[in-house]
Amino acid sequence: GAVVSQHPSWVICKSGTSVKIECRSLDFQATTMFWYRQFPKQSLMLMATSNEGSKATYEQGVEKDKFLINHASLTLSTLTVTSAHPEDSSFYICSPAFDTLGPQHFGDGTRLSIL
Amino acid sequence: DQQVKQNSPSLSVQEGRISILNCDYTNSMFDYFLWYKKYPAEGPTFLISISSIKDKNEDGRFTVFLNKSAKHLSLHIVPSQPGDSAVYFCAASGVVGGSEKLVFGKGTKLTVNP
Repeated sequence: GAVVSQHPSWVICKSGTSVKIECRSLDFQATTMFWYRQFPKQSLMLMATSNEGSKATYEQGVEKDKFLINHASLTLSTLTVTSAHPEDSSFYICSPAFDTLGPQHFGDGTRLSIL
Repeated sequence: DQQVKQNSPSLSVQEGRISILNCDYTNSMFDYFLWYKKYPAEGPTFLISISSIKDKNEDGRFTVFLNKSAKHLSLHIVPSQPGDSAVYFCAASGVVGGSEKLVFGKGTKLTVNP
């Protein structure tokens, strides 16, 4: 069965709206959460890494004030895209991890479309 | 700079034949390599991995080969089945910029025709 629950799976909203994406690890305690973004025909790109109870580490080029990450518990992390614009339209995927080595589990992703 | 490259965006094979998906990497610090399979509107699922100390790892119909000197790995699927049709991502793990990272290729879309 699924070990990661991510929702919503699809969001369409107007420019300027803030969107919250939730990611839950179902079978294990996720000390680390990875958030990825995938634009069409491009690689999965790591946006940020968060550890439970501490601030997220953002990759170069990712605005921390725009992509707010909360990792308040070992089973839940949220990514909020604040004041979303059409260029933020993408496929966002979370990946909770018990440790940072080895295979990771992924959520089913959230397709975000900003009009 | 793309550190993990999958130069073939798509591949089409006949059911029962072998599918070979290729991946090249540039960073010699990568020491663990993984293949993920992704269906539309779903997250990637782990398929098979290989450590840099090995040159081959086999799991059922899936075999991954690693050529460290060439910085090249490949995924062989034999026999290929229609249900294998998906996008396959190669990923490399290692210390990049001082921290452990997982870097993905752009993916290869495999179509297995009945």
